[in-house]
Amino acid sequence: GQQLNQSPQSMFIQEGEDVSMNCTSSSIFNTWLWYKQDPGEGPVLLIALYKAGELTSNGRLTAQFGITRKDSFLNISASIPSDVGIYFCAGLNNDMRFGAGTRLTVKP
Amino acid sequence: NAGVTQTPKFQVLKTGQSMTLQCAQDMNHEYMSWYRQDPGMGLRLIHYSVGAGITDQGEVPNGYNVSRSTTEDFPLRLLSAAPSQTSVYFCASRGGEAGYTFGSGTRLTVV
Repeated sequence: GQQLNQSPQSMFIQEGEDVSMNCTSSSIFNTWLWYKQDPGEGPVLLIALYKAGELTSNGRLTAQFGITRKDSFLNISASIPSDVGIYFCAGLNNDMRFGAGTRLTVKP
Repeated sequence: NAGVTQTPKFQVLKTGQSMTLQCAQDMNHEYMSWYRQDPGMGLRLIHYSVGAGITDQGEVPNGYNVSRSTTEDFPLRLLSAAPSQTSVYFCASRGGEAGYTFGSGTRLTVV
C-alpha cells in the first residue's frame, strides 16, 4: 500500500527556534502536500508541491518535493506559539494518503 | 461560499444501528473523499470519488458504503455500527491540482 512514514512523531521547541520534519514513502506521488490541524478542526492546507525538486515557501514555511518523488520535508523558521498543532504530510495520486503526523509544541 | 459542510457534528449510536454521515461541497469539485482519524493516528482513507457516479475503496473501507449521485454530495453510510467505528470522520473535496479542502468533522461514538 501507499504508506507514508513521517518523522519526528513529536517535537518540543523553544519559541524562535527552527523546525524540520520529513516524510518518506515506498511509493511515488505526483503531488506532496503539508497540512496543519488545530484541535477540534479539520486539516488546513499549508503548502502543495507539484514537481520533483520543487522548493516552495509560504511565509516562514518552506517545503521541498524530493527528486525521487518519494519524500518531502517541511521547515518552519523562527517558530511562534501559534505554530502549535499537528502537521501532516500527504501524498496525492488519484487519492490522498496521510502520514501519522508530527505534534509540535512551542514553549514561549 | 460554505466550502465543505459535514452534518451532524456529533453523533452517538448504539451497536448495530445504521446511519448516514452527510457531506456537501459548493465548489464544484470533482474529487471527494472520506477519512477517519483515531487518536494518535493520521487520517486513513475510507472511500473516495473522482466524479459523480464513480467511487472507489481506500485503506479502510469495510463497514462503510458510499455513493456519488451528484457532484455536490458524498454521503457515507454505516450499515451496522460497531464500537471500532468510534472515530472522527472528515470529508474533503478538491478540484484540479489543488490540495483537498476539509470539512470540520463528525465526531461519532458507538456504544
